[in-house]
Amino acid sequence: KAGVTQTPRYLIKTRGQQVTLSCSPISGHRSVSWYQQTPGQGLQFLFEYFSETQRNKGNFPGRFSGRQFSNSRSEMNVSTLELGDSALYLCASSLFPGGGETQYFGPGTRLLVL
Amino acid sequence: GDSVTQMEGPVTLSEEAFLTINCTYTATGYPSLFWYVQYPGEGLQLLLKATKADDKGSNKGFEATYRKETTSFHLEKGSVQVSDSAVYFCALKVWGTGGFKTIFGAGTRLFVKA
Repeated sequence: KAGVTQTPRYLIKTRGQQVTLSCSPISGHRSVSWYQQTPGQGLQFLFEYFSETQRNKGNFPGRFSGRQFSNSRSEMNVSTLELGDSALYLCASSLFPGGGETQYFGPGTRLLVL
Repeated sequence: GDSVTQMEGPVTLSEEAFLTINCTYTATGYPSLFWYVQYPGEGLQLLLKATKADDKGSNKGFEATYRKETTSFHLEKGSVQVSDSAVYFCALKVWGTGGFKTIFGAGTRLFVKA
């Protein structure tokens, strides 16, 4: 069974631009969660989607948004990029909302904002 | 609020040494507890979990016991290997507004020297 895939793996953007990251969950998983990982803040929860609906949201500004498609693939978008948005963005999939029994993580997309 | 506190790293050990990484938590209700591991350049992988008090999770020689009385879930391994060098995250999953949520500790980096 294929794991969670994220594209692209690496991205360089400049301040003010916007970016879209993609996550394909494990086949059959309907829940996708997004996390931001930085050296200073650790792993912070962004949001979770289940069956195309946002179920839960972390404490991030409205510049961070996401969506989920009917095939459970998810995208997250960051508009008006700031230097502090440089991070590793991880997505995780699970059968049920809230991580179910176990979350499976993708390799992440490393975003560098210059 | 719900939180996870891990010992600060990095932790540096010689091969075959005994490993303990401390993790304590604060949570309302009855959380499930997890240890995840992140190898360089990769996403997080579930290492072990425990869903109720006194449960012991184990995998690949690692163990952790859910101690409700001390609100702890310390990770231990009797004899570490160089290949265990990674970042280890303690996490809890608990019911909150909007559904279940997973909260991660800051991570503890482990270096194992040959």
